[in-house]
Parts: sequence; structure tokens; C-alpha cells
Amino acid sequence: DGGITQSPKYLFRKEGQNVTLSCEQNLNHDAMYWYRQDPGQGLRLIYYSQIVNDFQKGDIAEGYSVSREKKESFPLTVTSAQKNPTAFYLCASRQRGGRAPGELFFGEGSRLTVL
Amino acid sequence: GDSVTQMEGPVTLSEEAFLTINCTYTATGYPSLFWYVQYPGEGLQLLLKATKADDKGSNKGFEATYRKETTSFHLEKGSVQVSDSAVYFCALSMNTGNQFYFGTGTSLTVIP
Repeated sequence: DGGITQSPKYLFRKEGQNVTLSCEQNLNHDAMYWYRQDPGQGLRLIYYSQIVNDFQKGDIAEGYSVSREKKESFPLTVTSAQKNPTAFYLCASRQRGGRAPGELFFGEGSRLTVL
Repeated sequence: GDSVTQMEGPVTLSEEAFLTINCTYTATGYPSLFWYVQYPGEGLQLLLKATKADDKGSNKGFEATYRKETTSFHLEKGSVQVSDSAVYFCALSMNTGNQFYFGTGTSLTVIP
């Protein structure tokens, strides 16, 4: 079955450590996204990528980095520069083109806790 | 800029009650509109969508109609079940854009 796989589902990190969250999709989608979700809040866009080897900052990119070396993969690194990294992270993808924007498909999420 | 405003929760209903969650949008062009649902500890799932004015999206007993004149996309269900307890997000995306804009989510709890 096609879908988006995020790993790990739960991750604990000590302050000062970088961590990388994995996101893999087999939907053959061009565009991929990373969102952050905090309790009681909506989704905030961290980074997005429309095509391999290209990505753009979203609304809250500071303290995060991404890469898009392969179409199916869009890993997110939470660096030690991120002041408050404890959150639920969601990866999404969608197909570009067509007369209307395709819907976003989401992974199951990764919950990061900083100890 | 483009944005979505949705009804704040939490919302608590008895089983078989009627549900309405309000959503209004601001957009400079002609967006597509979406409702997503999130169950505890999971990612978001598409519930329904509409791509042009007067379209009605429907799925699993939920409905929403794209109203251009009132810039709204309210979610409705005639008879909710306990299994509908979740957080519901309204979203829009411009037909020529790359980004999605989400509301803050409305938490729904249905009690037996």
C-alpha cells in the first residue's frame, strides 16, 4: 500500500543534541512538507520541497534543516539551535499539477521530547 | 494573506446529536477547501474536499459546502457517533500555490 512512513514514532533527546526525523513516501509525489504541531494549536509549516534538490523555508524554519536528495525522502533535522523542540512533527506529501491542488497525505507523526 | 478561521472548541455532544463546525476563509483567489480529521496520536486524514464554489464534499456522513458568497466551508453531520471523537481541521490551498493553510483545529468529544 502506498503511503508515508515516519520514524521514529517516539524520540527522546537531551538538550544540545541534534536529531533527525525520517520521512519516506512511496506515492511518487513531487512535493513534501514538514509541520510542527503543539498541544491545542494548529499546524505550523517548517519546510517544504517541491522538487528534488530544492526546498523552501516555512513559517518556523529557525533551528531546523532539511535535505531532498531523493524524491521519496525528506528528512528533518532538529538542531540544538531550536529553542523549544518538544512537539509532534508531521510529514506530508502531495502531487503537484492538475487543475486543483491535490490533497496532502500525512504520515503518522513523530513525537519528540527533549529531556 | 490567505488564512482559515475555524470555530474554537472543545465541542462536546451526545451521541446522535447534530454537529456543525464553522470554518471561514480569506483568500485572494480561488482556493480549494479541505476538512481533515486527526485521531489521538495519529497524523491527519483527509475527510472531504471541494475545489470550486457550490461544490459539496461528503464522506462518512460528514458534509461541507463551498460557499463563495459567505467565504465559508462549514462541516456538518446529522448524527454523530462516539467514534467521531477527534480533532477536525479546516484547510485551504490556492490552485496556483504550494502551501496549505490550516485552522487551529476543533476538538470534538461525543459521549454515549
